[in-house]
Amino acid sequence: QKEVEQDPGPLSVPEGAIVSLNCTYSNSAFQYFMWYRQYSRKGPELLMYTYSSGNKEDGRFTAQVDKSSKYISLFIRDSQPSDSATYLCAMKETSGSRLTFGEGTQLTVNP
Amino acid sequence: DTGVSQDPRHKITKRGQNVTFRCDPISEHNRLYWYRQTLGQGPEFLTYFQNEAQLEKSRLLSDRFSAERPKGSFSTLEIQRTEQGDSAMYLCASSPRDSRFQETQYFGPGTRLLVL
Repeated sequence: QKEVEQDPGPLSVPEGAIVSLNCTYSNSAFQYFMWYRQYSRKGPELLMYTYSSGNKEDGRFTAQVDKSSKYISLFIRDSQPSDSATYLCAMKETSGSRLTFGEGTQLTVNP
Repeated sequence: DTGVSQDPRHKITKRGQNVTFRCDPISEHNRLYWYRQTLGQGPEFLTYFQNEAQLEKSRLLSDRFSAERPKGSFSTLEIQRTEQGDSAMYLCASSPRDSRFQETQYFGPGTRLLVL
């Protein structure tokens, strides 16, 4: 079983929709949670960074972490065609250096 | 642009050849990471440097792979005797000294390797 599970999609929504992206994980030592956006043939771009449980909002993006359920979410409000990309969740233990990624969800926002 | 840079962006090589990739981190970031990403998968950790010291290596980093970071600035990743299974995107990331942000890793554009 993978440490981080993420539905690969693909997910297709109309412009303006609210998008919900999710990951589950099994390693209770994960304390840092990130969401990256990756356009085709580009490197991942850091979108959101959260420590431990709770919510964090940045513009149209909201990240939620529920450590009791080992479940994290990214919500995108008023989705735009420019949001079309692969979204990767990533997690990190307090000790150590490595990020553990989900396999990514491919999102398409249709105009 | 002061982001992470990688060179080359694309590399095609024949099986058995050696290849070397370079990564220049964000200025004054003391931590540097290498990851590998295959199609349809998330990046997988390869190795980590703090300044010039290589502090962690993944089991994915076989004997054919070696990474260096002389003087704690740029880093190189060399693959010897390439195999078709080495075909992937090789990503470099860096994170800052500031303890408030050292958990955030910023990625470069990657080097796409194709082994024929």
